[in-house]
Amino acid sequence: AQSVAQPEDQVNVAEGNPLTVKCTYSVSGNPYLFWYVQYPNRGLQFLLKYITGDNLVKGSYGFEAEFNKSQTSFHLKKPSALVSDSALYFCAVREYGNKLVFGAGTILRVKS
Amino acid sequence: DGGITQSPKYLFRKEGQNVTLSCEQNLNHDAMYWYRQDPGQGLRLIYYSQIVNDFQKGDIAEGYSVSREKKESFPLTVTSAQKNPTAFYLCASSLTGELFFGEGSRLTVL
Repeated sequence: AQSVAQPEDQVNVAEGNPLTVKCTYSVSGNPYLFWYVQYPNRGLQFLLKYITGDNLVKGSYGFEAEFNKSQTSFHLKKPSALVSDSALYFCAVREYGNKLVFGAGTILRVKS
Repeated sequence: DGGITQSPKYLFRKEGQNVTLSCEQNLNHDAMYWYRQDPGQGLRLIYYSQIVNDFQKGDIAEGYSVSREKKESFPLTVTSAQKNPTAFYLCASSLTGELFFGEGSRLTVL
């Protein structure tokens, strides 16, 4: 079965500093990977996806993710964090039947 | 505007009652999904449907039921058999891979 792991429950970063939210995956075959963001009491918003091609994927709101096959990782990055980036972030992998399997989530706190 | 509408946003239920959560989409997506979210556990798949009149159980289907009579609609019924129904429920739809989510329904059992 496909799975993803988010090793950090929470990430703290100062506004203006670069941020990284980590995700590792375990799949059979080629991975289809996704990042979503969730604000309190809201649904999830799609940020970006990796299907194939360039290892650096650019997404919404200035976020990008780096796919690393040798380390089985798909870390979410942003060069300069904003206070408004504070939210819950989910990594996900596509499974058979076009279903998504989600990680447990990482809380990002950006302090001014 | 195109999107996914879930209702109600908040719902309170007494133990032993069935409740139905509504999910409607006007994105013309074939696939629809129901996930349950609990703190610290991420999202878990309850049911999904790839086409009208067909649906499959997800990882935690016990105590839930669904129907898919129309492409636009995928209601979820939380039955009295669900032992711990208090949670945030999210509906999603998909056409080419990524899921688009509604705003969620928060169910609280009193």
